[in-house]
Amino acid sequence: DQQVKQNSPSLSVQEGRISILNCDYTNSMFDYFLWYKKYPAEGPTFLISISSIKDKNEDGRFTVFLNKSAKHLSLHIVPSQPGDSAVYFCAAGPSNYQLIWGAGTKLIIKP
Amino acid sequence: NAGVTQTPKFQVLKTGQSMTLQCAQDMNHEYMSWYRQDPGMGLRLIHYSVGAGITDQGEVPNGYNVSRSTTEDFPLRLLSAAPSQTSVYFCASRWTRTQETQYFGPGTRLLVL
Repeated sequence: DQQVKQNSPSLSVQEGRISILNCDYTNSMFDYFLWYKKYPAEGPTFLISISSIKDKNEDGRFTVFLNKSAKHLSLHIVPSQPGDSAVYFCAAGPSNYQLIWGAGTKLIIKP
Repeated sequence: NAGVTQTPKFQVLKTGQSMTLQCAQDMNHEYMSWYRQDPGMGLRLIHYSVGAGITDQGEVPNGYNVSRSTTEDFPLRLLSAAPSQTSVYFCASRWTRTQETQYFGPGTRLLVL
């Protein structure tokens, strides 16, 4: 049973528009949530995180929203750029070193 | 800095063969770990190490051994490869276990026939 789910295997977005990637989790004890980005033939790289004491965290064009009651987090990228085309993983857990990873969403930014 | 390096990039094994996946980091990180990524699944932790001489099991340790004789190197050994071990393997490191950001190597794609 997957505790962290990214229900969209892929997402296509026009350049300049907003990309919204979603992630659902099942364990209410999870307090740390992270997003990683992965290009082909490379390892994942850390993108942004949020803890359960906050509901929003911003870093430039990237914003993560957390809805604890719905056990849902989302990553917003505004505006989307061609270099954002990658696979995005969310990970969640009770601490930042005990994480369950989602299967990833492949984001394609169309010119 | 080279960061986290992994060799080989790609390997084909026959069932029952053994091999070692190499991982090295030049950032003087205490914490190193190995993950596997299978299609349709997230990364799963195999083994980790909080420092030289100290290793522990992760979520899916069966069929794998590790050792950490130096801070820099953290090899992963498959003693008797099985088709179920066909996967992409990622090594990662960070300063300490509780540090938020970890740095991943480029991965090793392993095919077991």
